Amino acid sequence: GAVVSQHPSWVICKSGTSVKIECRSLDFQATTMFWYRQFPKQSLMLMATSNEGSKATYEQGVEKDKFLINHASLTLSTLTVTSAHPEDSSFYICSARDRGQSSYEQYFGPGTRLTVT
Amino acid sequence: AQSVAQPEDQVNVAEGNPLTVKCTYSVSGNPYLFWYVQYPNRGLQFLLKYITGDNLVKGSYGFEAEFNKSQTSFHLKKPSALVSDSALYFCAVRAFSGGYNKLIFGAGTRLAVHP
Repeated sequence: GAVVSQHPSWVICKSGTSVKIECRSLDFQATTMFWYRQFPKQSLMLMATSNEGSKATYEQGVEKDKFLINHASLTLSTLTVTSAHPEDSSFYICSARDRGQSSYEQYFGPGTRLTVT
Repeated sequence: AQSVAQPEDQVNVAEGNPLTVKCTYSVSGNPYLFWYVQYPNRGLQFLLKYITGDNLVKGSYGFEAEFNKSQTSFHLKKPSALVSDSALYFCAVRAFSGGYNKLIFGAGTRLAVHP
């Protein structure tokens, strides 16, 4: 149980284009999903927290107009990287919190590697 | 400031020997502590957590961690390391910031188990 999927697992796009990454909780309802960014050999940096049906809360320094987050249902959140540039190349990981649990455990997706050329 | 420190970038251990990956934390209130493992190009896998109760927590794959409130530590341990344990390990603590709860991660410790 508690499986989170991400799609695609990797994507290559040209500079200036937009890319959408999906995060789904497969066997539980997630009122809250989180988006992280991880640079090579570094820790996870929280980008934003999204709650179903409301606007995402972005961490300081994260451009909300560049990283659009939509949490349209209890099982799906999307991250759209708009007008991507090479410096946006990174490993993006989502996680979800099970609304039925009180221990604040997060379940992580397998990650999406974005390469912008 | 709420934070997590993993003082070792890398830990090297021979297969069959015990291993310890260190973690200390700074958080207001009672800590919720977690350990995750990450294999190359993969997301994080949950190993174990401490919320309350016994200070020694047992988790997946034979790992355990000991919560020490006086030392604000939550070190990850395993009695006998396997080569397949080689991976990147993250300690995390729940923190309340900006009006909501979130996880703060340490920088990660790379565990290398040699045959």
